[in-house]
Amino acid sequence: QSALTQPASVSGSPGQSITISCSGSSSDVGTYNYVSWYQQHPGKAPKLMIYDVSNRPSGVSNRFSGSKSGNTASLTISGLQAEDEADYYCSSYTSSSTYVFGTGTKVTVL
Amino acid sequence: QVQLVESGGGVVQPGGSLRVSCAASGFTFSNYAMHWVRQAPGKGLEWVALISYDGSNKYYADSVKGRFTISRDNSKNTLYLQMNSLRAEDTAVYYCARPKDAAIDYWGQGTLVTVSS
Repeated sequence: QSALTQPASVSGSPGQSITISCSGSSSDVGTYNYVSWYQQHPGKAPKLMIYDVSNRPSGVSNRFSGSKSGNTASLTISGLQAEDEADYYCSSYTSSSTYVFGTGTKVTVL
Repeated sequence: QVQLVESGGGVVQPGGSLRVSCAASGFTFSNYAMHWVRQAPGKGLEWVALISYDGSNKYYADSVKGRFTISRDNSKNTLYLQMNSLRAEDTAVYYCARPKDAAIDYWGQGTLVTVSS
C-alpha cells in the first residue's frame, strides 16, 4: 500500500493553469476509475474536488478538472486564484479493497 | 446537514490503547459505509480503515492491521476506532469520513491522538 506519487509543490500566477500529477500502479489508478482529489487549507478538513476521475461535486468550481491516462491521474486548475492556494491530495481505490492517498502537493499562487 | 463529530483523542503512552468515536447526524447513518483517515502533524493524509454499512465487512491499512479495530453502533449513529499497541508513528489527527461512492464527501473536524511517554 505505497502512497501515490505527487509532486511536492506546484506554483503558478493568477489566471494561469496548473496541473498536478498522481502516479500509481496497475493495482490502483491504472485499473479503477475511482480516483478522487481533495483540497485542504491549513487547519481545515479536506474538501472533495473531483471524484471518479473527472466528476465535480455540486458547488465545486468548473475551473477544477480531472483526467487519467494509464497509471497516472491529473488535476488541472485553470484561471488560478489566490483562494486555490492549498494542499491537494489524490486518492484511489485499490485491488485489495482498500484506499490509498497521494503524497500531497502544495499549490502556491505567486 | 451532515455532521460528523469525533471525540476521545488525547495523550497515550507507547504500547497503550485508546478508543476514538464519531457521532454522526443529518443523514441515515445505517445506510453508509464509513472511513477513518488520519494525518500526522505536518504530513499527508493516510487512509486507515473502512467498515460497511452493517458492520459485516472491515478493511484496514497494512500499517494498522492487527492493532486497530473499526466498529459501529447503528442504533447510536456512532463509529468507533479501537487502537491498541500504539506507537509514536500513530500520532495524528484522526478524521471520520462519509463516502460518496469511492470518494469521501464529508469529513469530521478530527480528533488528535498523541502517542508519547
